[in-house]
Amino acid sequence: KNEVEQSPQNLTAQEGEFITINCSYSVGISALHWLQQHPGGGIVSLFMLSSGKKKHGRLIATINIQEKHSSLHITASHPRDSAVYICAVIPRRSYGNKLVFGAGTILRVKS
Amino acid sequence: SAVISQKPSRDICQRGTSLTIQCQVDSQVTMMFWYRQQPGQSLTLIATANQGSEATYESGFVIDKFPISRPNLTFSTLTVSNMSPEDSSIYLCSLRTGYDTQYFGPGTRLTVL
Repeated sequence: KNEVEQSPQNLTAQEGEFITINCSYSVGISALHWLQQHPGGGIVSLFMLSSGKKKHGRLIATINIQEKHSSLHITASHPRDSAVYICAVIPRRSYGNKLVFGAGTILRVKS
Repeated sequence: SAVISQKPSRDICQRGTSLTIQCQVDSQVTMMFWYRQQPGQSLTLIATANQGSEATYESGFVIDKFPISRPNLTFSTLTVSNMSPEDSSIYLCSLRTGYDTQYFGPGTRLTVL
């Protein structure tokens, strides 16, 4: 079993829909990252969370440390949100703060 | 924030040859990371590159296959040696500023024929 599990693996939505991507992890962590990867391959860091909730534009990320679970929400989705969304954690036991990655969620938003 | 550039952005190489990927950062960073993303897979850490010391390789990756240089605080190279089609991947360099933000380069898309 992977230390970081994401769901769903694939998601297709209509423009304007509210989207939720989930991430569960099995180890104690010091932080969790949400990353966005566009088809060209480049990766952008969206959020780093260690507790609570963060919001940036139409993106909201939440984390529940006790339940070892995080969600990424996209409000009023748009075709330009189509990308792979990756959850990554820094395990507390990690030397050098190395990230452990989920498999990613492929999101396609149709107009 | 940090801006990372990588060269080349993509390349098609013949089996048995080697390719050196360059990573340039616009600020000084102590620790840089090299990742591989095989087709349809998530990212896998190859090694951590600290300036002034030997790179630390993850299980399954060895220096002879993936030699890394880190001559200063803004630059690193990763060489993929004696390539085979299984090395076809996106290679990304990365850095992190404290616990705050993880920065990734745009990636180098490598195809080995």
